[in-house]
Order: sequence, then C-alpha cells, then structure tokens
Amino acid sequence: AQSVAQPEDQVNVAEGNPLTVKCTYSVSGNPYLFWYVQYPNRGLQFLLKYITGDNLVKGSYGFEAEFNKSQTSFHLKKPSALVSDSALYFCAVRDTGGQNFVFGPGTRLSVLP
Amino acid sequence: DAGITQSPRHKVTETGTPVTLRCHQTENHRYMYWYRQDPGHGLRLIHYSYGVKDTDKGEVSDGYSVSRSKTEDFLLTLESATSSQTSVYFCAISRTNTDTQYFGPGTRLTVL
Repeated sequence: AQSVAQPEDQVNVAEGNPLTVKCTYSVSGNPYLFWYVQYPNRGLQFLLKYITGDNLVKGSYGFEAEFNKSQTSFHLKKPSALVSDSALYFCAVRDTGGQNFVFGPGTRLSVLP
Repeated sequence: DAGITQSPRHKVTETGTPVTLRCHQTENHRYMYWYRQDPGHGLRLIHYSYGVKDTDKGEVSDGYSVSRSKTEDFLLTLESATSSQTSVYFCAISRTNTDTQYFGPGTRLTVL
C-alpha cells in the first residue's frame, strides 16, 4: 500500500533563510510525487511534481524538490523564504500500479519577519 | 481554482438530514474526485469518477454516495448526515489517473 509521511507538523523559519519541508513515502512501484500548498480558506494549489528524469524538480513561486530514491524522500525546498510562503504544505504520492493519490497529513510553514 | 466550482461553499445542517454537494468543472477532464480534509489527516479520498456514470470507492466511502450523469458535474450525497461528517470537502479533477489533480475551493460542512 502507498503511504506518505510528513514528519514535522510545523516548520518555523526566518524570512530570507532557506526552508525545507520534509516528505518520505512508501510505494510498491515507481512513484509519482507531488507537492501542494494551501492558503487559509482556499483549495490546494499545485506546486510541482516528479514523474521521471532529473531528481531536482523546479516548480512555482521559486520552490524546488529533490527526489531521493534510496532514502524514499521528496523534500520541498526554497533558497530564501518569504513571509507570504506561510501556509499548509501537502506531499502526495501514487505509484504506477496504484489507483489513487495518497496525501500526507500536511506541514504548517510559518515564515517569521 | 480556475475551472472548478463547488456549491454550496458553506452549509450547516442537522444530524439525519440528506445533503448534496456539487462540483462543476469547465475543463472537460475525465477524472473527478471527492476528498475530505480533517486536521491531522490531510486529505482522504471519499469517491472518484473515471467517466460519466463510472465511479468507485475511496478510502473513506462509508456514509457517502456519488453520481456523475455528465462530464462536468460530480455530486456527493450524504444520505443521512452525522456529526462525524463535519469537515471541509474538496473536489478535484485530472485528465488521467496519474496526472496532476487540480482542486476546487472547498465546501465547509457542519453537521449539528
């Protein structure tokens, strides 16, 4: 069965500092991996995805994520955090043989001015 | 949220009453999904549709039914609402079952 873990409920970072939001996954086949962001009272917005190819994936708003197959991780990163990046972030996975996506529980990112 | 609308956006109802939530898309995507979002659980799939009149159960389907009579509309029905169904409900669409899912704005449902 597919599963996703986001080991940190909350991440705090100062504005201008680099940020990392962690995600690890478990699938039986090759993974499709996604990151979404949710602002208050809004739906989820797609940030980026990994299907195949380069392990470093670049997405919207300056975010990127690194796929690490040996560590089964797909951490979200940004070189310099903005206060406006404060939101809830979800990692999602499905495998090539799976039926649907599985979402992690979410990580709340707070960027402090 | 472009191309996906949900109605109503907010609803308060009483235990035991039927409730129907609507998801409407203008993207002509084949796949449509209903999720519920609860603190600490992320998003959990309730039901999904892979075409008109083609639906299947997700992880938390008990107490819910769905219908899809045309490509653009996907309805979620709570036959007899319970307090445990108080949640925020999101609709999503995708072109294929491996493609990116795009989400609607959500419906906040409170069952008293």
